[in-house]
Amino acid sequence: GAVVSQHPSRVICKSGTSVKIECRSLDFQATTMFWYRQFPKQSLMLMATSNEGSKATYEQGVEKDKFLINHASLTLSTLTVTSAHPEDSSFYICSARDGKTQYFGPGTRLTVL
Amino acid sequence: AQSVSQHNHHVILSEAASLELGCNYSYGGTVNLFWYVQYPGQHLQLLLKYFSGDPLVKGIKGFEAEFIKSKFSFNLRKPSVQWSDTAEYFCAVSLGGGADGLTFGKGTHLIIQP
Repeated sequence: GAVVSQHPSRVICKSGTSVKIECRSLDFQATTMFWYRQFPKQSLMLMATSNEGSKATYEQGVEKDKFLINHASLTLSTLTVTSAHPEDSSFYICSARDGKTQYFGPGTRLTVL
Repeated sequence: AQSVSQHNHHVILSEAASLELGCNYSYGGTVNLFWYVQYPGQHLQLLLKYFSGDPLVKGIKGFEAEFIKSKFSFNLRKPSVQWSDTAEYFCAVSLGGGADGLTFGKGTHLIIQP
């Protein structure tokens, strides 16, 4: 149980375009999902908390207009990177909370050319 | 804001050696503690967790961790490692209610030599 999927696993886009990443909890409902960013050989940094039916809360320094989060159902949260630039290239990982435990998706590698 | 420190960034051991990875956190209130593992090319998997109760918790694959409140520590141990334990290990903390995101340590890259 407690499986979280992400789609796509890899995406390459041109600078200035927008990219949407989906995060799904497959076998449980998650009122709260989280989005993290992982730089090469570094740890995960929390970007935002996604709450079903309400606005996401963003960590300090994360631009909410650049990283749009929608959590329209209890099993789906989406992260849209708007007007992506090369510095947005990274590994984006979502998690879904079940009780006090977070279960992680496999991540999405975003490369912006 | 809370922080998590993992003291060993790279550890190299031989098979059958004992393992202890250190983790300290800075927060005076109630915390939830986790160890996650990331095998090469795979996603983060939960090894074990501590919320309350017995401070010695057992996880998957023979791992265990001990919460020592007075030391703000949650060290990970395994009595005899295997080559398949080669991975990145992350200690993480969330605050009492568990509704907040996790704060991660920088990770420990463990290499087990056959």
